Amino acid sequence: SQQGEEDPQALSIQEGENATMNCSYKTSINNLQWYRQNSGRGLVHLILIRSNEREKHSGRLRVTLDTSKKSSSLLITASRAADTASYFCATVSSGGYQKVTFGTGTKLQVIP
Amino acid sequence: SQTIHQWPATLVQPVGSPLSLECTVEGTSNPNLYWYRQAAGRGLQLLFYSVGIGQISSEVPQNLSASRPQDRQFILSSKKLLLSDSGFYLCAWTQGEDRPQHFGDGTRLSIL
Repeated sequence: SQQGEEDPQALSIQEGENATMNCSYKTSINNLQWYRQNSGRGLVHLILIRSNEREKHSGRLRVTLDTSKKSSSLLITASRAADTASYFCATVSSGGYQKVTFGTGTKLQVIP
Repeated sequence: SQTIHQWPATLVQPVGSPLSLECTVEGTSNPNLYWYRQAAGRGLQLLFYSVGIGQISSEVPQNLSASRPQDRQFILSSKKLLLSDSGFYLCAWTQGEDRPQHFGDGTRLSIL
């Protein structure tokens, strides 16, 4: 089963609004990563947050990590129509072989 | 700069036919390489990963196999395709599990 589970599965917002997506996981992690996928394309890396970090920013993206709750959130501020895509979290487990496990994704639609 | 090439982009194959998908990486050495499959509207399922030439690990039992004949070449194969092998296949590389994964544009495989 997938380690990461995103919530919601789908999200539709108006351009200019903020979009928040959540990811929950089950085991100890080394880091957590967020990726974006445009329809029919490969995934593009957005942000990597390590287990000893709580928050990270990149442009209009803000990622938080709560290891006590085994959850992360991705906030996209001032959304644009071009942000329409699917967003996936990926966890890298700690210890031994660091296995990367992708979640099921959140499909974001930004309406112009 | 590093690039990843994956081909073909689209493939239609009859049941029982063989398969060979190729992935090559340029601009880096000794990458970790991955094959994923993505069902329509779903997350990524890790199929194989490789940390070096000739070193292949399989995540799930299946009808597919992988090989790494050269440092930056990763091949996904099957001797006889099944209907259930349909999907979107993605190749990715990374320099380590604490680094982002970089994805190819994927191959959409349809089995008839």
